[in-house]
Amino acid sequence: QKEVEQNSGPLSVPEGAIASLNCTYSDRVSQSFFWYRQYSGKSPELIMSIYSNGDKEDGRFTAQLNKASQYVSLLIRDSQPSDSATYLCAVNSGGGGFKTIFGAGTRLFVKA
Amino acid sequence: DAGITQSPRHKVTETGTPVTLRCHQTENHRYMYWYRQDPGHGLRLIHYSYGVKDTDKGEVSDGYSVSRSKTEDFLLTLESATSSQTSVYFCAISTRAGDSADTQYFGPGTRLTVL
Repeated sequence: QKEVEQNSGPLSVPEGAIASLNCTYSDRVSQSFFWYRQYSGKSPELIMSIYSNGDKEDGRFTAQLNKASQYVSLLIRDSQPSDSATYLCAVNSGGGGFKTIFGAGTRLFVKA
Repeated sequence: DAGITQSPRHKVTETGTPVTLRCHQTENHRYMYWYRQDPGHGLRLIHYSYGVKDTDKGEVSDGYSVSRSKTEDFLLTLESATSSQTSVYFCAISTRAGDSADTQYFGPGTRLTVL
């Protein structure tokens, strides 16, 4: 069983819609959760981090965390074609960054 | 921009040859990492370093070695490259290592092809 699982997609949404990306993890002691965006041929870039249950909003992005269900999601409101990328979920169990586990990513296409 | 550069950015080599990839950072971060990224697998940790001359293995370390003789440089060596090591290699640094809120930032990547 993979430690961090994401639907590989592709997820296709029309411009202006809400894109919902989901991630589940297996390690119950996980403490930190991250979403990275990766454009084709580029390196991952951090877009959101969340550490507590509930929602965290940053502009058009909202991260949602439910530790009881071992589930973290990313909502992108008013999706734009420039949001088309692969989104990586990452989970850290604490004790330093070397325990960060990455999911394989979900490809998102936003249609103009 | 976390001030991370990688060299070379692209390399084609033949099976059995040694290859060294370099990661250089300018902001004196203590923790550095090497990952490989392959389709369907996401990012997988090869080795990491928590200080000069302090390194440890990640989940896919077989066939790879690392060295860190200076804070700013972290080298990844493939002693005898194999076709299974064809991949994109990313270096990363941590900004708050040892803290559960640790965040990683990535270099631009090196695309390695082993023929």
